Amino acid sequence: AQSVTQLDSQVPVFEEAPVELRCNYSSSVSVYLFWYVQYPNQGLQLLLKYLSGSTLVKGINGFEAEFNKSQTSFHLRKPSVHISDTAEYFCAVLYNTDKLIFGTGTRLQVFP
Amino acid sequence: ETGVTQSPTHLIKTRGQQVTLRCSSQSGHNTVSWYQQALGQGPQFIFQYYREEENGRGNFPPRFSGLQFPNYSSELNVNALELDDSALYLCASSLGAGEVETQYFGPGTRLLVL
Repeated sequence: AQSVTQLDSQVPVFEEAPVELRCNYSSSVSVYLFWYVQYPNQGLQLLLKYLSGSTLVKGINGFEAEFNKSQTSFHLRKPSVHISDTAEYFCAVLYNTDKLIFGTGTRLQVFP
Repeated sequence: ETGVTQSPTHLIKTRGQQVTLRCSSQSGHNTVSWYQQALGQGPQFIFQYYREEENGRGNFPPRFSGLQFPNYSSELNVNALELDDSALYLCASSLGAGEVETQYFGPGTRLLVL
């Protein structure tokens, strides 16, 4: 069975500091990984995805993630965060080509 | 904006009632998936519809049912509402099924069951 673990429920950080949001997955089959962002009272917006190819994936808003098969990780990074990055971030794995399995989310709080 | 729309945005129902939520998929997408997001949790897969047929189902009871129409819009119906059904219901559309496709989400419908 596939599952996703986001170990950090909350990550506080000051503006312009770097941030890493951790995601680990378990899967016995091919892995397709996604990061979504959810702003307050909104739906999910796709940040980036790994389907195949280069293990370093660049997304919107300056975010990037690296697929590490040996460590079964897909951590999200940004070198310098802004106040507007404050949101809930969800890592997800696509299972059986139909359903996304999500982690429990990480709340990124950016302080001035 | 993903082009996926949902209605209504908010809804209040009482226990035992029935509810219908609606989703219009992004232009050109023929697959719609529904998710339930309880407060403080990640979304949970309910089911997926592809060309008007159910294409996969998560661990939800039969009182959660759905439809997809020829224009690929979709409905989620929940019968005999329970307090624990209070959640944000998200639909996502994608291009095709049986392929690795990205799912694009709508803004959600927030359901409160009293």
